[in-house]
Amino acid sequence: SQTIHQWPATLVQPVGSPLSLECTVEGTSNPNLYWYRQAAGRGLQLLFYSVGIGQISSEVPQNLSASRPQDRQFILSSKKLLLSDSGFYLCAWSDRRSYTFGSGTRLTVV
Amino acid sequence: AQKVTQAQTEISVVEKEDVTLDCVYETRDTTYYLFWYKQPPSGELVFLIRRNSFDEQNEISGRYSWNFQKSTSSFNFTITASQVVDSAVYFCALSESVSGSSNTGKLIFGQGTTLQVKP
Repeated sequence: SQTIHQWPATLVQPVGSPLSLECTVEGTSNPNLYWYRQAAGRGLQLLFYSVGIGQISSEVPQNLSASRPQDRQFILSSKKLLLSDSGFYLCAWSDRRSYTFGSGTRLTVV
Repeated sequence: AQKVTQAQTEISVVEKEDVTLDCVYETRDTTYYLFWYKQPPSGELVFLIRRNSFDEQNEISGRYSWNFQKSTSSFNFTITASQVVDSAVYFCALSESVSGSSNTGKLIFGQGTTLQVKP
């Protein structure tokens, strides 16, 4: 069966520090991968998606970047965090019919 | 452009009341999927239903039911005899066409409706 792992669950980082959130998928190949962010009390905003290794599309201009070094690995990064980067980050994978979400990372930038 | 609108930001009901969560969508695709997710306070997204754009049959699952009206681009969700455990944020979502040349399968979410069920 397919599973998705996302870590860490919570993270508190100072402004200006780097960020790396990792997401891995098991039990499937060539999935579409997605990073979403949910600001406090807001909806889910699509940040990045990837349809294959090394293929990254950004939905909104921001302080973040994404990479897909392996078929089932999706990484969200930042060189210098801003206060506005705080939020709940969700990774997801799709076989283009169904979507499975990770358990999320709650990031607080202080 | 695709868009999902959940006009109800917050709804508060008393236990055992019925409640309907509205969802209106916009898309130019002829083939698409619609979804409902539940987000409890813990934050994870719990899948509730997926509906193919070609299937306009209403669906019932226990206390949950969904009314898909393609003519009005709506996909409303009703909880019958609500319970305190139903308290959560509910999201309606629309996926891009998965046919033809489009391969992104992006899932576009509405802003969510916070449902509070009081005992």
